[in-house]
Amino acid sequence: LAKTTQPISMDSYEGQEVNITCSHNNIATNDYITWYQQFPSQGPRFIIQGYKTKVTNEVASLFIPADRKSSTLSLPRVSLSDTAVYYCLASNRGSTLGRLYFGRGTQLTVWP
Amino acid sequence: NAGVTQTPKFQVLKTGQSMTLQCAQDMNHNSMYWYRQDPGMGLRLIYYSASEGTTDKGEVPNGYNVSRLNKREFSLRLESAAPSQTSVYFCATDPAGTINEQFFGPGTRLTVL
Repeated sequence: LAKTTQPISMDSYEGQEVNITCSHNNIATNDYITWYQQFPSQGPRFIIQGYKTKVTNEVASLFIPADRKSSTLSLPRVSLSDTAVYYCLASNRGSTLGRLYFGRGTQLTVWP
Repeated sequence: NAGVTQTPKFQVLKTGQSMTLQCAQDMNHNSMYWYRQDPGMGLRLIYYSASEGTTDKGEVPNGYNVSRLNKREFSLRLESAAPSQTSVYFCATDPAGTINEQFFGPGTRLTVL
């Protein structure tokens, strides 16, 4: 399992775009990058997944450069309700083991 | 659809007591997982079940046992609880263990005195 490194915390204000960068220098060829969001007293929730280049859904965008050693989760125009912990994971999508490595995540705090 | 449900939501045990955490899913997923989350930390995998009838150890299995009762249910048992097992326990599922997306339950907050 490739381990990931991301900032412990970030602050932003409502309406701003937030970019959270994750480092995964030892990512394997078959690994995908997945981001989860966790609110207090809740289980993590899947946000987005990608392999390379750019992926966008209704919640976020994920940018992965050609070397795949890092990735950036972009949250457009954040609101107070986006305050949460965000986890970056690198895992083998085809693995039957189903193992995910959750690091400590990034605590995003959005201020009024 | 309830998704993934866990019982109980909260539990306080004394050292040495035993208990079983229950997890059920109505998503018809094959794979189920038990994680623990300690304060300020990410989740660590305790045990998982790739499919009905199979279970395997994760990163931190010591002090726990599991049972995949059927496709819907996956229970986690603490035979002799220790203060180090104070944590929040999450159950999760995914369709086939391919990590496309895991769905998590609401968690069980366990305190061992």
